[in-house]
Amino acid sequence: AQKVTQAQTEISVVEKEDVTLDCVYETRDTTYYLFWYKQPPSGELVFLIRRNSFDEQNEISGRYSWNFQKSTSSFNFTITASQVVDSAVYFCALSARFQGAQKLVFGQGTRLTINP
Amino acid sequence: KAGVTQTPRYLIKTRGQQVTLSCSPISGHRSVSWYQQTPGQGLQFLFEYFSETQRNKGNFPGRFSGRQFSNSRSEMNVSTLELGDSALYLCASSSEMYRGRTEAFFGQGTRLTVV
Repeated sequence: AQKVTQAQTEISVVEKEDVTLDCVYETRDTTYYLFWYKQPPSGELVFLIRRNSFDEQNEISGRYSWNFQKSTSSFNFTITASQVVDSAVYFCALSARFQGAQKLVFGQGTRLTINP
Repeated sequence: KAGVTQTPRYLIKTRGQQVTLSCSPISGHRSVSWYQQTPGQGLQFLFEYFSETQRNKGNFPGRFSGRQFSNSRSEMNVSTLELGDSALYLCASSSEMYRGRTEAFFGQGTRLTVV
């Protein structure tokens, strides 16, 4: 069985602070894929990143960075110098190798509020 | 390139009625997945269609069904609506070429309210 846990239900920070969203996953598959999505109030899920299980390189994209550690089954997401526009619900998701992006298991989401 | 289009955006139905939701995937994408999002259960996978065939199915009752047409557009149907079916229904399309190595692109969803 696959499971994704986002222990932080809500986070509230002041603009320009750094914030880390935690994601812990469970799977028996040796090959799997991890994703982060952002859900603004408009409702659609916006793709942020995909990571393969065999690629533990951390990634940085502008103010966003991701830390993938297989040893602790974690795939954490950090926003540096947060901005009000970063306010949204963020979801971590997992898919098995043969299910692919077509069948995602999502965490419960973390509601991030950036206060001016 | 146009994104994933879901219609209608909002829907209000009465218990016992049935409803059909529509999803047009990104051009060239042949896989369409459906998800239900509720405050209590979060985001849950309903089913996935590829080339007009259901390929994966989540743990939902038979009242939830879907289909895909030859142009990859998909519809999902919920019969005998219950209050608990009130949710945001999200459709996602993805490229088949590299399964897990691709991302799913989501539409804005259809918010269904059952009264």
